[in-house]
Amino acid sequence: DIQMTQSPSSLSASVGDRVTITCRASQSISSSLNWYQQKPGKAPKLLIYSASTLQSGVSSRFSGSGSGTDFTLTVSGLQPEDFAIYYCQQSYTVTFTFGPGTKVEIK
Amino acid sequence: QVQLVQSGAEVKKPGASVKVSCKASGYTFTSYAISWVRQAPGQGLEWMGWISGYNGNTNYAQKFQGRVTMTTDTSTSTAYMELRNLRSDDTAVYYCARWRPFSTSPYYFDYWGQGTLVTVSS
Repeated sequence: DIQMTQSPSSLSASVGDRVTITCRASQSISSSLNWYQQKPGKAPKLLIYSASTLQSGVSSRFSGSGSGTDFTLTVSGLQPEDFAIYYCQQSYTVTFTFGPGTKVEIK
Repeated sequence: QVQLVQSGAEVKKPGASVKVSCKASGYTFTSYAISWVRQAPGQGLEWMGWISGYNGNTNYAQKFQGRVTMTTDTSTSTAYMELRNLRSDDTAVYYCARWRPFSTSPYYFDYWGQGTLVTVSS
């Protein structure tokens, strides 16, 4: 199975900051990488698919990049509603696996 | 609008089984698959498997093979996930999520159910 890792596991940031989260796959997954946001007590929400395509209705503050094994999620101009946990997910194989998550907290 | 509505919370004893439902609406059920994802308290997301709404084909994560069964009822657009021989570490919120297989489009989970808390305790 493809293993996913994320770094950092958590970070503290202020409103207005630019934040970058990294996701790494244990083997090449081309651009088959999705990003989700989860807030406490809620289901995950799709932000980005295919590494860099913004899901309809998602703020353009979010952007994604990468291919192969290394990917990044960037939030430009962090807003109060962006404090959450972010997960990456590989969809290169249909035994989908998630990264362990990155918690973005308020500084 | 697309909705996935899950059944309510369950409390089960160790060794018992639980069956969680996920009723879909707002789209053609047979054009999509349903994945099941669980989340233990304070932990991350764990993919359990999926079932095709088209033909009932399944793909289970190795960790759950032999203990999980996923089924669908296309007449009611409902997917089910049954987990047997429950243990305390199966205590988690279980989510269903939609994705579109076997298409030229990329795969992603675009709609999720609200989650069902399953508590396993003696």
